[in-house]
Amino acid sequence: GAVVSQHPSWVICKSGTSVKIECRSLDFQATTMFWYRQFPKQSLMLMATSNEGSKATYEQGVEKDKFLINHASLTLSTLTVTSAHPEDSSFYICSALTSGRVKETQYFGPGTRLLVL
Amino acid sequence: AQKVTQAQTEISVVEKEDVTLDCVYETRDTTYYLFWYKQPPSGELVFLIRRNSFDEQNEISGRYSWNFQKSTSSFNFTITASQVVDSAVYFCALIMTGGGNKLTFGTGTQLKVEL
Repeated sequence: GAVVSQHPSWVICKSGTSVKIECRSLDFQATTMFWYRQFPKQSLMLMATSNEGSKATYEQGVEKDKFLINHASLTLSTLTVTSAHPEDSSFYICSALTSGRVKETQYFGPGTRLLVL
Repeated sequence: AQKVTQAQTEISVVEKEDVTLDCVYETRDTTYYLFWYKQPPSGELVFLIRRNSFDEQNEISGRYSWNFQKSTSSFNFTITASQVVDSAVYFCALIMTGGGNKLTFGTGTQLKVEL
């Protein structure tokens, strides 16, 4: 299947700092990537849809000024959590949409665990 | 609005037992896609299957099989002869074709397979 990577896999930071998470599609071009957040023992919640070359579309209730998304190329999207606070601690997962062999299928990265102290 | 319901929060079975994970969905669209993903303890979601709304044929892949019934809006997943490595959270999800390819996830079913 398609390969999506995320970096870093985990990060611990102090409250007030900003954290950048990268999502890369390794063997295909992804015009659309998605960012999800998952709290322990809960389902994935879509935060935003990232389209290459345009502004991200945020879901209701997600602060676009706090969660900055950039999709500068067909293989890279970044999520920056600005001025992170303990309540931002979560598992952040990206996915990339491929229109290849299995259309309309999202392939997921391994996730990034963020702990804000 | 679309919705995916996985009523089973947690299932525990003994190895080699068969287990079925239920998924019921709601959508007003006639064209949509259904998915199952596996999330092992490592956290990475693994794509298992995609089914479009016009294809009601059941599918079998090794020990995995899926039963899609539009009449009951269900897309159930059966693991035959379960193994400890099957222990994971399984998510059913739905995309409407006119919905910007956004996945709507169910709440997931935690499957524990014990020796």
